Amino acid sequence: GDSVTQMEGPVTLSEEACLTINCTYTATGYPSLFWYVQYPGEGLQLLLKATKADDKGSNKGFEATYRKETTSFHLEKGSVQVSDSAVYFCALSNMIKAAGNKLTFGGGTRVLVKP
Amino acid sequence: SQTIHQWPATLVQPVGSPLSLECTVEGTSNPNLYWYRQAAGRGLQLLFYSIGIDQISSEVPQNLSASRPQDRQFILSSKKLLLSDSGFYLCAWSVRQGNSYTFGSGTRLTVV
Repeated sequence: GDSVTQMEGPVTLSEEACLTINCTYTATGYPSLFWYVQYPGEGLQLLLKATKADDKGSNKGFEATYRKETTSFHLEKGSVQVSDSAVYFCALSNMIKAAGNKLTFGGGTRVLVKP
Repeated sequence: SQTIHQWPATLVQPVGSPLSLECTVEGTSNPNLYWYRQAAGRGLQLLFYSIGIDQISSEVPQNLSASRPQDRQFILSSKKLLLSDSGFYLCAWSVRQGNSYTFGSGTRLTVV
């Protein structure tokens, strides 16, 4: 079945440092790829997505490129802020039946940015 | 606009008690509905999904069940809670064959 593997945390950074969270996947067909963010005490919010190979998703200074050849979707940000402290989830969406899709998550990576 | 409501926000229940968590979606028809659980310190696990009324698929064997009595209502239940049922439960919806998922605000369940 489909699976997503992302680097384990926690990742602790200083403000303005570069952030990279690795994510690789295993899936049949042509999945869409997502990054979700969960701020402390809150639910999940979509951060960015890419629906086909070589697409780049971007939002709030974060970027991720859909690399089919390496089955990866690494999340990057050039300069993090304290407000970026959160848990980040990589996910893929694939068909489960003719009428539906299913979202499969990685284990999540906790990021802590210190001032 | 579409909205998703999930309640209650927090719940503390004794072992062996029943459970009912409700999720409703507004502003759309025939959504796909999902229940996820996030155990402490772990990732998100898909528990159930539904592509229509009374059409429920279970992803993992467990102490929980799901029902969809109406098109935009998705209920997560248990007859007798276990300690291991504690966690953060998230409801989500997507359009048919779509790739856009919207999550509810979650229910934090503590079984004591």
